[in-house]
Amino acid sequence: EVQLLESGGGLVQPGESLRLSCAASGFGFTSDAMSWVRQSPGKGLEWVSAISGNGFNTYYADSVKGRFTVSRDNSKRTLFLQVSSLRVEDTAIYYCAKLVYSSGCEYFQHWGLGTLVTVSS
Amino acid sequence: DIQMTQSPSSLSASVGDRVTITCRASQNINTYLNWYQQKPGQAPKLLIYGASSLPSGAPSRFSGSGSGTDFTLTISSLQPADFATYFCQQSYNTPRTFGQGTKVEIK
Repeated sequence: EVQLLESGGGLVQPGESLRLSCAASGFGFTSDAMSWVRQSPGKGLEWVSAISGNGFNTYYADSVKGRFTVSRDNSKRTLFLQVSSLRVEDTAIYYCAKLVYSSGCEYFQHWGLGTLVTVSS
Repeated sequence: DIQMTQSPSSLSASVGDRVTITCRASQNINTYLNWYQQKPGQAPKLLIYGASSLPSGAPSRFSGSGSGTDFTLTISSLQPADFATYFCQQSYNTPRTFGQGTKVEIK
């Protein structure tokens, strides 16, 4: 069974940093692209970042580019999101998700339970 | 960025009803369109990928159709477990974008 378990969220002040983690189990991981998606309280979903299986290719939403860094440690089956220079508008539940490509279509096949980041002074 | 617009934003329906949710993309996205279901306090769950493909484990009462800019999610006979919020999402280009969601409530 695929399991994704996020951690590292918390309450921080504007300008501070956090490192989010996502521990993966139940699938290969090393060849799987992964992604971060966030959801502001009571609002919709926003794609944040993605990373290829080997970690060489990374992608970011414009709203986080230059402030967030995605990485992975395949030996530990863990995905990371370093979130820096946090803003109030970054407050959200951050989900990690396993990406799948099938017949040319990419989709978020499995999602973790999420970790809450609250940015407030 | 590609804008995804869902309608309606919410609807009330009864168990057994046929329910249709639409999603419109701001430009042609071929069939690179996915649907997710989210229940309160839970993560989203994949329902449909590639506009019309049902992933393993998804109930057959869910179906998707469309291509280009206009898409539809249909629940053939609404069940109690289906009261949730539904999101569409395009994977035609980056950034991936989601619709604002459609909340299906009990009438």
